[in-house]
Amino acid sequence: DAGVIQSPRHEVTEMGQEVTLRCKPISGHDYLFWYRQTMMRGLELLIYFNNNVPIDDSGMPEDRFSAKMPNASFSTLKIQPSEPRDSAVYFCASSFFGRGRGTEAFFGQGTRLTVV
Amino acid sequence: SQKIEQNSEALNIQEGKTATLTCNYTNYSPAYLQWYRQDPGRGPVFLLLIRENEKEKRKERLKVTFDTTLKQSLFHITASQPADSATYLCALPLGRSNTGKLIFGQGTTLQVKP
Repeated sequence: DAGVIQSPRHEVTEMGQEVTLRCKPISGHDYLFWYRQTMMRGLELLIYFNNNVPIDDSGMPEDRFSAKMPNASFSTLKIQPSEPRDSAVYFCASSFFGRGRGTEAFFGQGTRLTVV
Repeated sequence: SQKIEQNSEALNIQEGKTATLTCNYTNYSPAYLQWYRQDPGRGPVFLLLIRENEKEKRKERLKVTFDTTLKQSLFHITASQPADSATYLCALPLGRSNTGKLIFGQGTTLQVKP
C-alpha cells in the first residue's frame, strides 16, 4: 500500500479564499483523523471519522472549517473563508482497530498551507 | 483537562551515548501510550506502543518505560546515531476506549552529533 496520501503538498492562497485539502487513507482502515500542526500549538486533532461517519469534531476551530468523508477511500477538509492564522501543516492519518491489530496512526506527508 | 508535557528544549548528545526523553501527563489514566518519530517536512511515524500493564518495552535500540504512578514515560535510544536525529512525540488516547483518538505532546527534538 502507498500509505496515506494527501494533496496538495503545498498550498498558498489569499485571505478569504476557499481551500480544500484532500486525503486518501490506507485501504481497509476504518478510522480517519485530521490534525493541524503549528510551532505554537503542536499537533492538534481537528476531527475524526469511523467508517466514514464523523465521530468528534470538537477540535474544529471555527465554523469556517468543515470535513467530509463521502466514502472509505476519500476525505476532504475545507476552510472557507481562509485566514492567515489558518497557516499550518495539516495532516491526515488513518488507523485500523480490528481485533488483534495495533492502535497506531499512520500519517500522510501533510499539506503545508500558507494564507497570505 | 488532560495534558501532556515533553521537554521543549532540544536534546543534544554525542554519538554512541544513550538518549533519554521524557513524557509526563496529568489528569487522566490512559490505557496505553505511544511514541512517534517526526522528521522535518514529514508526518509522524509510529515507533512503539506500551500498555498500562507493561512496565517496559523494547524494540532494537529503543526502550520505553511506563510508570502509571508517576504518570510518566521514558523513551531511551541506546548507542545513538546521527540518523536518530529527529523530533520525538509521545501520544496518549483521549479517554480509555480504543478509538485511537490521540493527543500528542509538543515533541522533543534530538540532535545526535558525530
